[in-house]
Amino acid sequence: DGGITQSPKYLFRKEGQNVTLSCEQNLNHDAMYWYRQDPGQGLRLIYYSQIVNDFQKGDIAEGYSVSREKKESFPLTVTSAQKNPTAFYLCASSTVEGRIYNEQFFGPGTRLTVL
Amino acid sequence: AQKITQTQPGMFVQEKEAVTLDCTYDTSDPSYGLFWYKQPSSGEMIFLIYQGSYDQQNATEGRYSLNFQKARKSANLVISASQLGDSAMYFCAMREGQSNDYKLSFGAGTTVTVRA
Repeated sequence: DGGITQSPKYLFRKEGQNVTLSCEQNLNHDAMYWYRQDPGQGLRLIYYSQIVNDFQKGDIAEGYSVSREKKESFPLTVTSAQKNPTAFYLCASSTVEGRIYNEQFFGPGTRLTVL
Repeated sequence: AQKITQTQPGMFVQEKEAVTLDCTYDTSDPSYGLFWYKQPSSGEMIFLIYQGSYDQQNATEGRYSLNFQKARKSANLVISASQLGDSAMYFCAMREGQSNDYKLSFGAGTTVTVRA
């Protein structure tokens, strides 16, 4: 089945540690995105990538880093510089054809808690 | 400035009744698309319906319809014949056409609770 997988589902981190969240898609989509969601809030864009080996900062990139070495994969690292990392993280992907209408497909999310 | 505004934090609806979720947007781009997503308690985002700025007719998908009023910059979602499984958070989102990226701007969401 085609889709987006994120792992782990739950992640606990001690303060000062870097952690990496995995995102893999087999939809053959060129574009991938990372969002952060805080309780009761909407989604805020962290990073996005439209092509392999290229990515751009979103609205809240500070304290995060990404890589896009393969089309299928877009891992997100939450660094110790992120002051308040406890949140729900969602990965998404889309095609880049038909510029307006390209719905984004979402993974199941990773819930990160800093202890 | 907020690009998407959803003013209803939470709503209750009786099973089998219709519910309207408000969404207003702000853009000077003549070409844009509006999306609605559903987020159940499991957390995954489910795409519901899309409306393009040049579409002449309001979008419909099964029990979901979009009341698109371009001059008022509103794109309200109507869920007809509500079911218990409709209880979730609903997000309105927009993509602007003249930007060179494919980003979506999301509203803060509306929580819908369907009562039996």
